[in-house]
Amino acid sequence: AQSVAQPEDQVNVAEGNPLTVKCTYSVSGNPYLFWYVQYPNRGLQFLLKYITGDNLVKGSYGFEAEFNKSQTSFHLKKPSALVSDSALYFCAVRALSYNTDKLIFGTGTRLQVFP
Amino acid sequence: NAGVTQTPKFQVLKTGQSMTLQCAQDMNHEYMSWYRQDPGMGLRLIHYSVGAGITDQGEVPNGYNVSRSTTEDFPLRLLSAAPSQTSVYFCASSFSGRGGDTQYFGPGTRLTVL
Repeated sequence: AQSVAQPEDQVNVAEGNPLTVKCTYSVSGNPYLFWYVQYPNRGLQFLLKYITGDNLVKGSYGFEAEFNKSQTSFHLKKPSALVSDSALYFCAVRALSYNTDKLIFGTGTRLQVFP
Repeated sequence: NAGVTQTPKFQVLKTGQSMTLQCAQDMNHEYMSWYRQDPGMGLRLIHYSVGAGITDQGEVPNGYNVSRSTTEDFPLRLLSAAPSQTSVYFCASSFSGRGGDTQYFGPGTRLTVL
């Protein structure tokens, strides 16, 4: 079965500290991995994606993610957290199907950055 | 360029009522999809379309109908609303829906069924 897991419901971090939001996946073949962010009462905004190439992917708002094939992980990171980063973060993986590639989402991790 | 738009933003229905959630995109995307978001369950795919005149079921299609008469519009119909359909609904679009193609989301419709 193809799936994506976000093991932490919530991550708390102090402003200025580094943050990591974890994501692991299980797919057949090469994965296409995505991170989205959802601010309160808003839709999902695309942050970054991994298709192929460099394992470290840089995205919007200073976020980056590291693809680790051996650990089947795609953790989201930021060197210095801001209070404005507080939001709900979703990891997603594209899974192959017969006529289109369905995007499978994790359950989300709420990031809380404290001043 | 408005991106993906959804109407209404909020809706309250009584059990058994029907309604249509509207979704439109102005990016000439072939692929459009509907998700529902429920606490602790992430986003689940309801229906999707790979082009005008072509639709298919996702993970949780029961109780919902879709059609795609134009590239721009992808309405979601609730035939007979049930309290289990209380959720936040998101429409999304992308060029192809394949591989590394990025999906873009609308702002959502918050639906409550009493």
